[in-house]
Amino acid sequence: SYVLTQPPSVSVAPGQTARITCGGNNIGSKSVHWYQQKPGQAPVLVVYDDSDRPSGIPERVSGSNSGNTATLTISRAEAGDEADYSCQVWDSSRDHYVFGTGTKVTVL
Amino acid sequence: QVQLVQSGAEVKKPGASVKVSCKASGYTLTNYYIHWVRQAPGQGLEWMGIINPSPGSTTYAQKFQGRVTMTRDTPTSTVYMELSSLISEDTAVYYCARAPRPRSAYLDYWGQGTLVTVSS
Repeated sequence: SYVLTQPPSVSVAPGQTARITCGGNNIGSKSVHWYQQKPGQAPVLVVYDDSDRPSGIPERVSGSNSGNTATLTISRAEAGDEADYSCQVWDSSRDHYVFGTGTKVTVL
Repeated sequence: QVQLVQSGAEVKKPGASVKVSCKASGYTLTNYYIHWVRQAPGQGLEWMGIINPSPGSTTYAQKFQGRVTMTRDTPTSTVYMELSSLISEDTAVYYCARAPRPRSAYLDYWGQGTLVTVSS
């Protein structure tokens, strides 16, 4: 089965840039979507199709995808960005959806 | 506005079944797909399956095949997920989420989640 690997945690100082990676075999050939989840809340879509943002998501949140790694970048980090972030793709070989292991972002 | 409203928390005994509902509003149910995703305590998101409400066709994750059934009632814009033969490891928050396309889809709206606790 297709596996997506994320670092368990990422720390960032306020105003700095956080980069969250999502590793998978030839993930650059897939569309990657990212979700933010705060404690006790449902996930929220923050990036879809590698780099598109839904309405209401600020421009300082961006995504990229190439080779074996997709990356979610949060620029000018704020306290409100503290959350768990998960990547997601469609595994076409099995017609299944797969989520990454999740990354907890802490704004120090 | 688009909303997915799920049924309330459930407590079930091992071996029992649970049926969670997800009522859609603010859009036409049959124009979008509904996924079910669960999250065990302190764990990541786990995909369970998808239903196309228009014909009612489904695809289930291999892990849940034989134990999960997803159905819909189009007149009430409600989708259901039933999980049988519950074990303690099924204790989780279960979410429904909407997808705009059948493949390589993203989940743009989520329900609030339903906590299912399996305990003797």
